Amino acid sequence: GNSVTQMEGPVTLSEEAFLTINCTYTATGYPSLFWYVQYPGEGLQLLLKATKADDKGSNKGFEATYRKETTSFHLEKGSVQVSDSAVYFCALPPNSGYALNFGKGTSLLVTP
Amino acid sequence: EPEVTQTPSHQVTQMGQEVILRCVPISNHLYFYWYRQILGQKVEFLVSFYNNEISEKSEIFDDQFSVERPDGSNFTLKIRSTKLEDSAMYFCASSRGSLSDEQYFGPGTRLTVT
Repeated sequence: GNSVTQMEGPVTLSEEAFLTINCTYTATGYPSLFWYVQYPGEGLQLLLKATKADDKGSNKGFEATYRKETTSFHLEKGSVQVSDSAVYFCALPPNSGYALNFGKGTSLLVTP
Repeated sequence: EPEVTQTPSHQVTQMGQEVILRCVPISNHLYFYWYRQILGQKVEFLVSFYNNEISEKSEIFDDQFSVERPDGSNFTLKIRSTKLEDSAMYFCASSRGSLSDEQYFGPGTRLTVT
């Protein structure tokens, strides 16, 4: 069935550094792809999404492009801030139904 | 902004006891979900609920688990006889319903089974 694999963390960066968190997917067809973020002590929040191939999702300076050639949906940000410290999850729906399949999550720590 | 709420934030129970985790989804949403995350592992889907019945469930969601929408607002997950391996963070979520719609998650209930 549909699944995602994302890079292991933790990732530690200095403020204003460039961020990439890799996510690759295996899917039947071209399902929507999502990045969720979990800030400390909070629930999961949708960060961005892309609903079809070649779409770019963006929010809060983060971007991810749905690339069918490389089956990837890597998360990028040009200049991270301390407030971006969180756990980031890549996700997609299964072959059928509405539930989400999540990656293991990548913890990001941004230091001043 | 509307949000999904969950109670309690932390529940400690002894093995073999029943627990009920509670969620209040966003009021105009039609689909409701439970997920869990064992410490250090991925977020796993348990069950989805639509139109007052289970629409899909994972292999994790065995006979020990049940869900209910007892009134117009609450959505509950019951574990009949808890096991040590049920210790996890349990997340409730809701969505309007299409595959591209965002699922809104609650802050989670940390269940500790001793």
